[in-house]
Amino acid sequence: DTAVSQTPKYLVTQMGNDKSIKCEQNLGHDTMYWYKQDSKKFLKIMFSYNNKELIINETVPNRFSPKSPDKAHLNLHINSLELGDSAVYFCASSQEKSYTFGSGTRLTVV
Amino acid sequence: DAKTTQPPSMDCAEGRAANLPCNHSTISGNEYVYWYRQIHSQGPQYIIHGLKNNETNEMASLIITEDRKSSTLILPHATLRDTAVYYCIVSPNNAGNMLTFGGGTRLMVKP
Repeated sequence: DTAVSQTPKYLVTQMGNDKSIKCEQNLGHDTMYWYKQDSKKFLKIMFSYNNKELIINETVPNRFSPKSPDKAHLNLHINSLELGDSAVYFCASSQEKSYTFGSGTRLTVV
Repeated sequence: DAKTTQPPSMDCAEGRAANLPCNHSTISGNEYVYWYRQIHSQGPQYIIHGLKNNETNEMASLIITEDRKSSTLILPHATLRDTAVYYCIVSPNNAGNMLTFGGGTRLMVKP
């Protein structure tokens, strides 16, 4: 079983659309995250979500919103997609010192 | 901003030990040193972590200097599958702490 799974793996969409990326973890971890890796390959934290407490990286536009229906899920919703949103998005979860990442969602905005 | 400094790239011969250095001169007393790697475009993979003592697991060894201002990740017998970007990260050991990635070291293992 995949520990942290993301869907879809690839997403191509037009500018201005709204899209969601789903993430599920079966590790029983308390905290989940979203990271963005741009074309320059830098991994940047976007959000951390722990027990209904959301910590947002201040540089993330408010078009991005995480939604957590339960502890095992943290979905990423993006409104009004822009060309600059094209990147690989990684979901992760952690418990104490152990972090596990998903395999990523490659988002291409055209 | 990342609190670590790593060389952008390194080469290693297959079967030899790969020693990846990391400087973290501003590390705080409650911060651990973590190492992750990213193979091609996969998600980052945990390798090892430590506070002040040297650590070893099935993947690698971590050597932390006594003043904790630098560390070295050692892959004892590098294989072609170890080619990846290796990230050294310092982070407090509190639940929910976000990992801040720097540029990492691109390790190329050559036959």
